[in-house]
Amino acid sequence: NAGVTQTPKFRVLKTGQSMTLLCAQDMNHEYMYWYRQDPGMGLRLIHYSVGEGTTAKGEVPDGYNVSRLKKQNFLLGLESAAPSQTSVYFCASSYSIRLSGNTIYFGEGSWLTVV
Amino acid sequence: AQSVTQPDIHITVSEGASLELRCNYSYGATPYLFWYVQSPGQGLQLLLKYFSGDTLVQGIKGFEAEFKRSQSSFNLRKPSVHWSDAAEYFCAVGGPGNEKLTFGTGTRLTIIP
Repeated sequence: NAGVTQTPKFRVLKTGQSMTLLCAQDMNHEYMYWYRQDPGMGLRLIHYSVGEGTTAKGEVPDGYNVSRLKKQNFLLGLESAAPSQTSVYFCASSYSIRLSGNTIYFGEGSWLTVV
Repeated sequence: AQSVTQPDIHITVSEGASLELRCNYSYGATPYLFWYVQSPGQGLQLLLKYFSGDTLVQGIKGFEAEFKRSQSSFNLRKPSVHWSDAAEYFCAVGGPGNEKLTFGTGTRLTIIP
């Protein structure tokens, strides 16, 4: 039972490089999310998707792009990485956008360092 | 805007002792409240949640939390901690009409023998 899987788990990038984080879920969930976690900041929502082919901005979307070409996958892209994007990235998914009666499942995180 | 405050960055507790982690929230209506746990190198796992009804909520791993509207609080408790409870704990708030979660900054729990 894989749940939410993120790849890669660790990556070091140079400033200006690009990369894509892949999130895959096997629970047939409609909703998927990308968060970043920084010390003393908690988790902050970057982008989310309410279904295949849709994306929306969250709290901190600048510098990131996302795509949801397949229902089970949600990609987070950094076109030109900056040191400020050094963070731990978490993907999550849920059956419904409604919080009540619903559980959000998180992946194990992707540690990204930009030097 | 909704917000969550976890005033304790780091708490150290002896194994077998009781635990209380504090969480204060700001939300314009009746909130939905959550506690998540993050073990080292792992994702977040839901411990418990409150939507309505009984203000004392039971969760997994022997945890409970009490919603106190008058104090805007949702403190997490456990009567006797185990070494495996060492982790980071996040409180989160959301609600009907704004179904996205806002997380607190987390409290790191250390257990000493």
